[in-house]
Amino acid sequence: DQQVKQNSPSLSVQEGRISILNCDYTNSMFDYFLWYKKYPAEGPTFLISISSIKDKNEDGRFTVFLNKSAKHLSLHIVPSQPGDSAVYFCAASFTGTASKLTFGTGTRLQVTL
Amino acid sequence: NAGVTQTPKFQVLKTGQSMTLQCAQDMNHNSMYWYRQDPGMGLRLIYYSASEGTTDKGEVPNGYNVSRLNKREFSLRLESAAPSQTSVYFCASRNSNYGYTFGSGTRLTVV
Repeated sequence: DQQVKQNSPSLSVQEGRISILNCDYTNSMFDYFLWYKKYPAEGPTFLISISSIKDKNEDGRFTVFLNKSAKHLSLHIVPSQPGDSAVYFCAASFTGTASKLTFGTGTRLQVTL
Repeated sequence: NAGVTQTPKFQVLKTGQSMTLQCAQDMNHNSMYWYRQDPGMGLRLIYYSASEGTTDKGEVPNGYNVSRLNKREFSLRLESAAPSQTSVYFCASRNSNYGYTFGSGTRLTVV
């Protein structure tokens, strides 16, 4: 049972345009959500997070939106740059569970020139 | 500041062989985790250690054992490797605001 789902395995966007990566979850008890970025042959690196008490969090070119009623979150990258080409994982956690993260399956973003 | 260090980076095992994947962190984090990454499956939690002296099963613990040797080190052992354990293994440690720091991974092939 996949509790965190990323239904788009891949996404291609032109440089300078907006990239939108989507993530859905099924467990309404999740209260903290994160996005990680992964380059080939490297470990995932933390990108941005959002608590369930917020609906938006912004950090430079990256914004995460949370829609709790729809159990949906999205990552917006504006403007997209070639260096953003990577696999993006969304992850979710409950408070008080040693912060175990449940990850989605990942979306491979390719930013083209 | 090395962060999370995993060894080895690559390993090929024959079915039935055993091996231990090593992980060490130098950030004084309390919690450490082992994940595996498989195509189309994302990262799945194998075992975790919320603090020194404790370990707990994650989503896919079968075929693995772990040891939290001290606060810095958390090892993952395969007692009798199977082809289904061919994967990329990531160790991570956690700071106080839920962000994980991951190692660069161990690519394991079981033939």
